[in-house]
Amino acid sequence: KNQVEQSPQSLIILEGKNCTLQCNYTVSPFSNLRWYKQDTGRGPVSLTIMTFSENTKSNGRYTATLDADTKQSSLHITASQLSDSASYICVVRANYGGSQGNLIFGKGTKLSVKP
Amino acid sequence: DAGITQSPRHKVTETGTPVTLRCHQTENHRYMYWYRQDPGHGLRLIHYSYGVKDTDKGEVSDGYSVSRSKTEDFLLTLESATSSQTSVYFCAISGTSGYNEQFFGPGTRLTVL
Repeated sequence: KNQVEQSPQSLIILEGKNCTLQCNYTVSPFSNLRWYKQDTGRGPVSLTIMTFSENTKSNGRYTATLDADTKQSSLHITASQLSDSASYICVVRANYGGSQGNLIFGKGTKLSVKP
Repeated sequence: DAGITQSPRHKVTETGTPVTLRCHQTENHRYMYWYRQDPGHGLRLIHYSYGVKDTDKGEVSDGYSVSRSKTEDFLLTLESATSSQTSVYFCAISGTSGYNEQFFGPGTRLTVL
């Protein structure tokens, strides 16, 4: 069964510290992996998208890594800010023919950054 | 929110009443989607559309219907709302090039009493 598992479920860190969020998936065939940030009361916003040939991609203080062999991804946040408080969702797209209904969502990691 | 609006943003209704949620886009994207988001679950696909009058079911389509008569509008209807349909509903859109990235709307919080 295609699944995306994220850990930890929640995380509290102090402002200015770094953190790493994990995503393990069992999706096959794999097309790409996305990380979204979702602020409370808002829709998810894309941070990065990676295909199997990309093992690192950065977006400002956010760096995503992908190991397609072990089917693991991580999202590293550097020098956290209060505005980083949000849920971070890992999403894997399966490569089923031409269907567009083929995104598998993780349940998210809720990050709280405290002053 | 990438030119996507949802209406209403909040709605409280009673069990058994019909409810229609609207998604409107200004990006002229081909694909549109309806998801629901509940605590303890990831986003789950209800229905999606791949063109005007072309729709297909997602993972949790029971109790929901959709219609798309124009490129820019995608309607989600709960024929007879139940308390289990209390949720936050998100519309998303995507094009046909590159990664087919999905852009999400702001969401509609629906409470069924």
